[in-house]
Amino acid sequence: KAGVTQTPRYLIKTRGQQVTLSCSPISGHRSVSWYQQTPGQGLQFLFEYFSETQRNKGNFPGRFSGRQFSNSRSEMNVSTLELGDSALYLCASSLGLAGTQEYFGPGTRLTVL
Amino acid sequence: GQQVMQIPQYQHVQEGEDFTTYCNSSTTLSNIQWYKQRPGGHPVFLIQLVKSGEVKKQKRLTFQFGEAKKNSSLHITATQTTDVGTYFCADGNQFYFGTGTSLTVIP
Repeated sequence: KAGVTQTPRYLIKTRGQQVTLSCSPISGHRSVSWYQQTPGQGLQFLFEYFSETQRNKGNFPGRFSGRQFSNSRSEMNVSTLELGDSALYLCASSLGLAGTQEYFGPGTRLTVL
Repeated sequence: GQQVMQIPQYQHVQEGEDFTTYCNSSTTLSNIQWYKQRPGGHPVFLIQLVKSGEVKKQKRLTFQFGEAKKNSSLHITATQTTDVGTYFCADGNQFYFGTGTSLTVIP
């Protein structure tokens, strides 16, 4: 079974720009979660989508948004980029049931200059 | 809000020494999961604990869930260089990850 894939793997943007990241979950998984990982803050939960609906949301500003398509693929968008948005963005897929394990993708490394 | 803290933040050990990381939650957990992230990699699921006082073993790794279901520990016996990485605990239901413990094993 193919794992979780994320594109692009690396991205360099400048302040004020916007960016869209993509995540393809494991076949059959209906839940996709997004996390921001930085050295200082660890793994911070952004949001979770299940069957095209945002089901859970972390504590991030509205500049961070996402969506999920009918094939469970998900995109995350960050508008008006700030230097502090530089991070590894990880998506994870799961069956979406409480307590089920998450399978992480390799991440997208975003650098904001 | 809920906080999941881990100690220590960093640990350096000589190969062959034991290692333990502790996870503490400010709230009672329904279940707890442990993940390992190798340098440059992504988190990989290790195990899930559900019952109060539960102990599970995976070869040299021993996982415990506290009686009050607010803390957990991961113990590695006789570390090897392949154990290098950051170990995270996570609330299995709420997407909260612990702060992580970065393990360095000195050959």
